[in-house]
Amino acid sequence: AQSVTQLDSHVSVSEGTPVLLRCNYSSSYSPSLFWYVQHPNKGLQLLLKYTSAATLVKGINGFEAEFKKSETSFHLTKPSAHMSDAAEYFCVVSDSGGGADGLTFGKGTHLIIQP
Amino acid sequence: GAGVSQSPSNKVTEKGKDVELRCDPISGHTALYWYRQRLGQGLEFLIYFQGNSAPDKSGLPSDRFSAERTGESVSTLTIQRTQQEDSAVYLCASSPTSGTADTQYFGPGTRLTVL
Repeated sequence: AQSVTQLDSHVSVSEGTPVLLRCNYSSSYSPSLFWYVQHPNKGLQLLLKYTSAATLVKGINGFEAEFKKSETSFHLTKPSAHMSDAAEYFCVVSDSGGGADGLTFGKGTHLIIQP
Repeated sequence: GAGVSQSPSNKVTEKGKDVELRCDPISGHTALYWYRQRLGQGLEFLIYFQGNSAPDKSGLPSDRFSAERTGESVSTLTIQRTQQEDSAVYLCASSPTSGTADTQYFGPGTRLTVL
């Protein structure tokens, strides 16, 4: 069985300050982990993914995430927030060898950027 | 290249009517997924197609929901006798295969409103 917990439903930061979106997972296998972003009235877009290579993964728009097996975490970070980062972010785990059964989405974190 | 497309982008219907939603996956992608996203919530898996195999229907919420896919191309999701709780954004995604590391590419969604 697998699960994903996004620890914060809402995160608010000021423009230019660091962003931290937290994600913990549980998995019986070696998981693949993803972060997706969803801007208002737009489709889901892949930010980055971890697939058992380097544990620090760099994605688009300056985001990165670090896979920490000992902590079962895959937190998303960005050094300096931009107004355009305001969106909903989803952490996703995939571990059961493929197919939709292997995909579990977190409930999402709404990122708010204060000017 | 062209991404995943969905139509219509918005659909308003009356309770009890049937609706049909369409998804055009990325050419060459063998796996296709349907999800439902209720307001303020994460993604709920509905159904999954992989090549010519029988679809995984484990996520369909009731027998009013059905989906078809022609080969590795277009898919339609049909909701019969719509209810107000069916109001949601319906998202389609495709991926090259069904591997755990495969990225899913999402369409913009169809926003369904049942009056």
